[in-house]
Amino acid sequence: DIQMTQSPSSLSASVGDRVTITCRASQGIRNDLGWYQQKPGKAPKRLIHAASSLQSGVPSRFSGSGSGTEFTLTISSLQPEDFATYYCLQHNSYPYTFGQGTKVEIK
Amino acid sequence: QITLKESGPTLVEPTQTLTLTCTFSGFSLRSTGMGVGWIRQPPGKALEWLAVIFWDDDERYSPSLNSRLTITKDTSETQVVLRMTNMDPVDTATYYCAHIWFGSGFGYWGQGTLVTVSS
Repeated sequence: DIQMTQSPSSLSASVGDRVTITCRASQGIRNDLGWYQQKPGKAPKRLIHAASSLQSGVPSRFSGSGSGTEFTLTISSLQPEDFATYYCLQHNSYPYTFGQGTKVEIK
Repeated sequence: QITLKESGPTLVEPTQTLTLTCTFSGFSLRSTGMGVGWIRQPPGKALEWLAVIFWDDDERYSPSLNSRLTITKDTSETQVVLRMTNMDPVDTATYYCAHIWFGSGFGYWGQGTLVTVSS
């Protein structure tokens, strides 16, 4: 199985801050990775697909980068509505695996 | 517009079999590349992929649950059914179904359904 190690597990940030979340794959997954945002009581929402492609309708302050084993989700200027938990998902090989999540909280 | 919705029991007893149905619209499971998957999330925990079925009847399962899971396409081809046998309290979770286009990951999700396993 491919393990997805996501860091940090949580972070505190202020509105306007730049935030970076990382996922590391235990083996190369090309760019077969998505980033998801989940708010309490809601289904996950995909923000980024193919590691760096912004999902339609998602604000441009979200961006993704990386390929192979190292991936990053960046929020360029954190907004109040961005406080949520973020997950990465690799779909390069079975079983598909998620990172353990990063909870972004208000400082 | 792609939509999905999960349905099934909210409470099951230990050792029972859980049957969940995902009813979808906006795409066809006859179309090349299309698929539907199931993901679950225990309260306060991370997401866990369970199973996926594609337009060509390819089925894949989480190895840790493989012996307990079955995913099928309904003959109407607007529903996908997940069966999980021998339910245990640790299987208490919100279960989501999601649309996948082969090679692209889960783009559209249902709202989820909370299943509690308790006697």
